[in-house]
Amino acid sequence: NAGVTQTPKFRVLKTGQSMTLLCAQDMNHEYMYWYRQDPGMGLRLIHYSVGEGTTAKGEVPDGYNVSRLKKQNFLLGLESAAPSQTSVYFCASRFDRVGSNQPQHFGDGTRLSIL
Amino acid sequence: GENVEQHPSTLSVQEGDSAVIKCTYSDSASNYFPWYKQELGKRPQLIIDIRSNVGEKKDQRIAVTLNKTAKHFSLHITETQPEDSAVYFCAAVAKDWSGTYKYIFGTGTRLKVLA
Repeated sequence: NAGVTQTPKFRVLKTGQSMTLLCAQDMNHEYMYWYRQDPGMGLRLIHYSVGEGTTAKGEVPDGYNVSRLKKQNFLLGLESAAPSQTSVYFCASRFDRVGSNQPQHFGDGTRLSIL
Repeated sequence: GENVEQHPSTLSVQEGDSAVIKCTYSDSASNYFPWYKQELGKRPQLIIDIRSNVGEKKDQRIAVTLNKTAKHFSLHITETQPEDSAVYFCAAVAKDWSGTYKYIFGTGTRLKVLA
């Protein structure tokens, strides 16, 4: 199993450009998450999904959109990139076993710089 | 909103000494508490977790304790080694009104083990 795979690993954008970050997991997990990590601020939840075809807003959703058309993929889109979106983005997934908490599994991250 | 406070933000210890990181949560419905280790430039990885029906859990040099009454939990690392140097995140997990598991992360502790 590859686990959680994020592409690309690095990207530099100009202000106003758009792009999509891809997260793929091969563990048949129901839950998937997108976080951003900024120095000294820990992990902040952008959007999440509890299953195929569902998405929900997290703590810092503004400026981002997501889609979960297939269970194994969770896409994060930036429609018009802004310098404030410079960050490291982590995707995570989690198995949903009824009656039992399960840990999240993280990808390697995408380092995004907006100039 | 719900939050998790994590202290200290940085911690330096001599090799062989013990390290303790503390987290306090606000949501009394939290019933699962994972700890993640993130080495520089790498993904967060689960190192230990504890469920609310247990007061302490140990895995070799790592242990976690939970005090539900006081709503705090701690990570204990004994006989620290240079490879323990990393950022450690705690999290508190609770189900919300819709049945969705919500992860609230602490802001992280940067542990430096001095040789």
